[in-house]
Amino acid sequence: EIVLTQSPDFQSVAPKETVTITCRASQSTGTALHWYQQKPDQSPKLLIKYASQSFSGVPSRFSGSGSGTDFTLTISSLEAEDAATYYCHQTGSLPWTFGQGTKVEIK
Amino acid sequence: EVQLVESGGGLVQPGGSLRLSCAASGFSFGSFSNYNMLWVRQSPGKGLEWVSYIDWTATTTYYVGSVRGRFTISRDNAKNSLYLQMNSLRAEDTALYYCASPSVVGHTTPDYWGQGTLVTVSS
Repeated sequence: EIVLTQSPDFQSVAPKETVTITCRASQSTGTALHWYQQKPDQSPKLLIKYASQSFSGVPSRFSGSGSGTDFTLTISSLEAEDAATYYCHQTGSLPWTFGQGTKVEIK
Repeated sequence: EVQLVESGGGLVQPGGSLRLSCAASGFSFGSFSNYNMLWVRQSPGKGLEWVSYIDWTATTTYYVGSVRGRFTISRDNAKNSLYLQMNSLRAEDTALYYCASPSVVGHTTPDYWGQGTLVTVSS
């Protein structure tokens, strides 16, 4: 099973700053790595698929990069509405797995 | 726009059974029958766990190890519906169960999610 480890677990960031969340896989997932945003009492929403492809309707301040075992989600110019927990998810190898989540708080 | 509406959750005793349903609509390319589907769960206050997958023809299914042999995923393309039959339920199966679908035919990623249905396993 591929274990996905996100860092940090929690980040408090001021508006307009840049947020960087990393996801490290215990084995290569190629580029089959996806990023989700989940706000309290809401279902997860897809932000980035296959490491760097922005999903339809997602603001351009969200971007993804990486391949193999190391991936990054970047939120440029953070907005108040970006307060949420972010998860990475791999579909490169069964069982498909999620990272533990990174909570982003707005200062 | 894709809409996924789960139902069937509730309180069940350990060892009991429950059948979840997901009504799907709004697929932009063809119909529900063209899309692979998934179930993902989230324990209260915890992270996400992929549970099961079924391909568009219903001939290929996958399960996470902790539910294999107890849960069965199925679909009825004529009714645009996805199901999860859950048997021999355990306390650790307590979670919000989400139905999810890709946005592209042939893909397996959970791009769209329903609002979830809560399953509580307790005596």
